[in-house]
Amino acid sequence: DTGVSQNPRHKITKRGQNVTFRCDPISEHNRLYWYRQTLGQGPEFLTYFQNEAQLEKSRLLSDRFSAERPKGSFSTLEIQRTEQGDSAMYLCASSRRGPGYGYTFGSGTRLTVV
Amino acid sequence: TQLLEQSPQFLSIQEGENLTVYCNSSSVFSSLQWYRQEPGEGPVLLVTVVTGGEVKKLKRLTFQFGDARKDSSLHITAAQPGDTGLYLCARGGNAGNMLTFGGGTRLMVKP
Repeated sequence: DTGVSQNPRHKITKRGQNVTFRCDPISEHNRLYWYRQTLGQGPEFLTYFQNEAQLEKSRLLSDRFSAERPKGSFSTLEIQRTEQGDSAMYLCASSRRGPGYGYTFGSGTRLTVV
Repeated sequence: TQLLEQSPQFLSIQEGENLTVYCNSSSVFSSLQWYRQEPGEGPVLLVTVVTGGEVKKLKRLTFQFGDARKDSSLHITAAQPGDTGLYLCARGGNAGNMLTFGGGTRLMVKP
């Protein structure tokens, strides 16, 4: 069990640029989640996948955000035309199916939009 | 808007003191989890509680789930500097096992 891996750990980008983050979940976990966390707040749900299907998206996920999980393995989160308000920690987590299973989080990608 | 209210938001104590942090909601939880997060890292799961009135212990940490499953508490005995971090509660969702997190309690334990 190598845990959940996220890359890059840090990303600084200019406003208006596109960025893409990658998440590699624990291989036995069929559920994958993306959360966003701003300083001093708890994580806010963005979207989740069961295998390759994206089953739910938050209203926080504007049209500039897109997430994929091809083949039900790793996932990518892309933000187009970044804005300063997108600056946050983007967390990926995976879990087994079923209620009561905890999440295993990655270390996150900290995005700074300048 | 956080559906889960955590209190206090900040807590600074001396090593060796005891403390309790709270997690409250107006609606019933199907399950509740507590996580601890260190700066620059993702949250790490501490415990899951699913039964009203349930009490779980993890070394110096005691977790309690309210009888009505609308609230939970975390009690730390003889706090140590290594306990410093952001403590998050999270409630289970109805579908997809999606978790909704509270705003967290930031704990600092001074040596």
